[in-house]
Amino acid sequence: DGGITQSPKYLFRKEGQNVTLSCEQNLNHDAMYWYRQDPGQGLRLIYYSQIVNDFQKGDIAEGYSVSREKKESFPLTVTSAQKNPTAFYLCASSRSGLSNEQYFGPGTRLTVT
Amino acid sequence: DAKTTQPTSMDCAEGRAANLPCNHSTISGNEYVYWYRQIHSQGPQYIIHGLKNNETNEMASLIITEDRKSSTLILPHATLRDTAVYYCIVREDNYGQNFVFGPGTRLSVLP
Repeated sequence: DGGITQSPKYLFRKEGQNVTLSCEQNLNHDAMYWYRQDPGQGLRLIYYSQIVNDFQKGDIAEGYSVSREKKESFPLTVTSAQKNPTAFYLCASSRSGLSNEQYFGPGTRLTVT
Repeated sequence: DAKTTQPTSMDCAEGRAANLPCNHSTISGNEYVYWYRQIHSQGPQYIIHGLKNNETNEMASLIITEDRKSSTLILPHATLRDTAVYYCIVREDNYGQNFVFGPGTRLSVLP
């Protein structure tokens, strides 16, 4: 089936550790995105990538890093510099061009203690 | 910041039409109106989008006012599985424009 996969669904880490969240898509989409969602809130954009080997900061990029070495993959690293890393993380992708909706993965719930 | 305002929550009886309003009074001529929904602890799901004309698909209808300053998403026969948070988003259809998700409307479909 075509779609976006994120793994794992639940992730637990100790404070001070970096952690990498996986996002893979087989939709042949050029653009990929990472959002963060806190309880009762909307989504906030962390990073996005319109093409391989290129990415831009979103609204809340501090404490996060990404890479886009392959079209299918856009991993997000939550570094120890991120002050409040516990959240629900959502990855999305879209075709390039006009009037294209984003397709979302199932999300990863990260808990840092 | 989100460019839309939506009610925080709404209830709808099962089998009835759910009408979800959205105000976007500062929308510009090249911005589309998108609707997504998010069921608890899942990724958002695309529903529908439009520019000027009303749109309909298998999930919903989108009614956009003539001045484009507001719109209504209509779920014609709401079911319990339509209980979700519904997000109204305005976005230019330019390469690189991103979706800005506000808090949305929490729709509860009641039996």
